[in-house]
Amino acid sequence: DTAVSQTPKYLVTQMGNDKSIKCEQNLGHDTMYWYKQDSKKFLKIMFSYNNKELIINETVPNRFSPKSPDKAHLNLHINSLELGDSAVYFCASSQDLAAYNEQFFGPGTRLTVL
Amino acid sequence: DQQVKQNSPSLSVQEGRISILNCDYTNSMFDYFLWYKKYPAEGPTFLISISSIKDKNEDGRFTVFLNKSAKHLSLHIVPSQPGDSAVYFCAASVYGGSQGNLIFGKGTKLSVKP
Repeated sequence: DTAVSQTPKYLVTQMGNDKSIKCEQNLGHDTMYWYKQDSKKFLKIMFSYNNKELIINETVPNRFSPKSPDKAHLNLHINSLELGDSAVYFCASSQDLAAYNEQFFGPGTRLTVL
Repeated sequence: DQQVKQNSPSLSVQEGRISILNCDYTNSMFDYFLWYKKYPAEGPTFLISISSIKDKNEDGRFTVFLNKSAKHLSLHIVPSQPGDSAVYFCAASVYGGSQGNLIFGKGTKLSVKP
C-alpha cells in the first residue's frame, strides 16, 4: 500500500497548456510538500502545506499553485506551461513541520513541455 | 547559491569495500543533517540523520560523521553491497525550525560492483 502516491507518472504537454499533478498520502501526516528536480539534478522545495495552510513559497512563479482539498491531498496546478518547467516533480509528506521529521516522498512525476 | 554541496557526482566501489560519500555546507545555521537514497524512477527515501550535538551516528552498515568546524559531513557504508547502488542526497535543515525546509545537495551516484 503506497504511502505517498502521485499521478500521473509521466506528463507530456505543449507550451502554454495548463496541467495538474495529483498527490495523496495515507500516512495521516499533517504536512505535505512539492519539490522540483531540474535538469541539473537539484531537488528544491517549492511549497509546503501544514493543515491546509501554505507555509513556504520559495520564489516559485505564480503560474504554479498548490491546492489542498484535504489533509491527505496536495495537488499542483501549473498554468501557461513553459519549456523551463520541464522537470521531475516530487510530492512528500511528514508528520509535521519539525525539521527532524522524516519526509516521505512519492515516486515523482516527469513533466516534459514541448 | 548552493548551500549544500556534493562535489562528487559519482563514486564506484567494489562490493565488500567501504563507500564514503561527502557533503559540505555553507550555512552555519544548519544544525540537522540527513541522507536520502534514491533509486531510478522512485522518490528519495530517508536513510540516516545526525544532529549537530553529535559527531557520529550509526545505523547498521551506515554511519554519518559530522565535522562542524569544517562544515563537512560524510556517509560511510561498510560493507558496500550491490543493492546500495543508488543516488545519495545530502540534506540540511535547522533543527528548531518550523518550516520543514530541507536544502538538498545535487546527489552522488554510487555504483557498487560485484
